[in-house]
Amino acid sequence: DVKVTQSSRYLVKRTGEKVFLECVQDMDHENMFWYRQDPGLGLRLIYFSYDVKMKEKGDIPEGYSVSREKKERFSLILESASTNQTSMYLCASSPEGSSYNSPLHFGNGTRLTVT
Amino acid sequence: AQTVTQSQPEMSVQEAETVTLSCTYDTSESDYYLFWYKQPPSRQMILVIRQEAYKQQNATENRFSVNFQKAAKSFSLKISDSQLGDAAMYFCAYTNTGNQFYFGTGTSLTVIP
Repeated sequence: DVKVTQSSRYLVKRTGEKVFLECVQDMDHENMFWYRQDPGLGLRLIYFSYDVKMKEKGDIPEGYSVSREKKERFSLILESASTNQTSMYLCASSPEGSSYNSPLHFGNGTRLTVT
Repeated sequence: AQTVTQSQPEMSVQEAETVTLSCTYDTSESDYYLFWYKQPPSRQMILVIRQEAYKQQNATENRFSVNFQKAAKSFSLKISDSQLGDAAMYFCAYTNTGNQFYFGTGTSLTVIP
């Protein structure tokens, strides 16, 4: 089974702090994604990466950046955390291509609270 | 842009009964993929069922089946013989590229013993 591991399940940070959310997958997947999940809004894509050192903006990239230095690791960075970034963050991965056999595989999520 | 709409924020079902969760989507593409994901309280998103748009036959996975109406752009999930473990948030999702997945806002399903 594919395993996507997010380094923290819960995180509490202060406004203005630089925050790193880490995600590692063990199935050599090309694609990796960061989503933000908020009640009533579903999942919204922040950034995705289809290869090492490659990144694409999603629907809500403002206030976030990402890093993918190795294929298995995709980091989400909040340069200066703000209270409106309090949310659940989900990492996902998928193999290359769009096919029936390429659904997303998710981590357990990181619930970030910015105070 | 593609959009996915789940019009039922909350649903409930008696144990052993059948429930249908609705999903509609908007796209101009002819070939795409649709998914239902389940997110239990543990937060782990699990793939429940998937459908390829060019396949006429509705997908089925044990107690889970879909009613895929391509012309109507509708993709509903039917859960038969509901069990307590089915209680979760259910998300409908769409992709045509494999890079961009679009999700609905979710339906919270309660199973009543």
